[in-house]
Amino acid sequence: EAGVVQSPRYKIIEKKQPVAFWCNPISGHNTLYWYLQNLGQGPELLIRYENEEAVDDSQLPKDRFSAERLKGVDSTLKIQPAELGDSAVYLCASSSGVGTDTQYFGPGTRLTVL
Amino acid sequence: GENVEQHPSTLSVQEGDSAVIKCTYSDSASNYFPWYKQELGKGPQLIIDIRSNVGEKKDQRIAVTLNKTAKHFSLHITETQPEDSAVYFCAASSTGGFKTIFGAGTRLFVKA
Repeated sequence: EAGVVQSPRYKIIEKKQPVAFWCNPISGHNTLYWYLQNLGQGPELLIRYENEEAVDDSQLPKDRFSAERLKGVDSTLKIQPAELGDSAVYLCASSSGVGTDTQYFGPGTRLTVL
Repeated sequence: GENVEQHPSTLSVQEGDSAVIKCTYSDSASNYFPWYKQELGKGPQLIIDIRSNVGEKKDQRIAVTLNKTAKHFSLHITETQPEDSAVYFCAASSTGGFKTIFGAGTRLFVKA
């Protein structure tokens, strides 16, 4: 069974540029999470989807971040415009979402903003 | 808000020794406690988890203990090997795992 797939793995951009990250969860997993991981820290939730609905986006900086999961499968996280402080690893995770807690993480996208 | 504190931040042990990582949590509603291992350039991978109705769980060289009264839980790795070197994260979650708070991580070095 394929795991959570993320692309790109690495991205270097200049500040004020837009950037997008893509995630394909494990097949059949209804719940999808986007996390931010700063260097030396644990993951912090940005947004959680149940199918195509964003059910927890309280930690998403909505002035510059947006996300979508239009068909309830893969998802895109966008930053526009990027700032220096956005340099971090962006992790995607998924879970089956039905009475289960286990989250499976993808390899992450390492973003560097110059 | 809810938080999870993890100690130590760095741990260095000799191969074959045991390693213990400790976490405390603040949200008394937490009922699921996973541990993740993160190797360089990879995402966190679940290595063991425990639920609030269990005090201890073991899987080969890895064990986790939970003290709900004190809001403490710990990871124990016995007979450490160089391949155990990684960053380990504890986490606490409630409401079906949908709100998971991670500790800051412990960087474990196992010296051959």
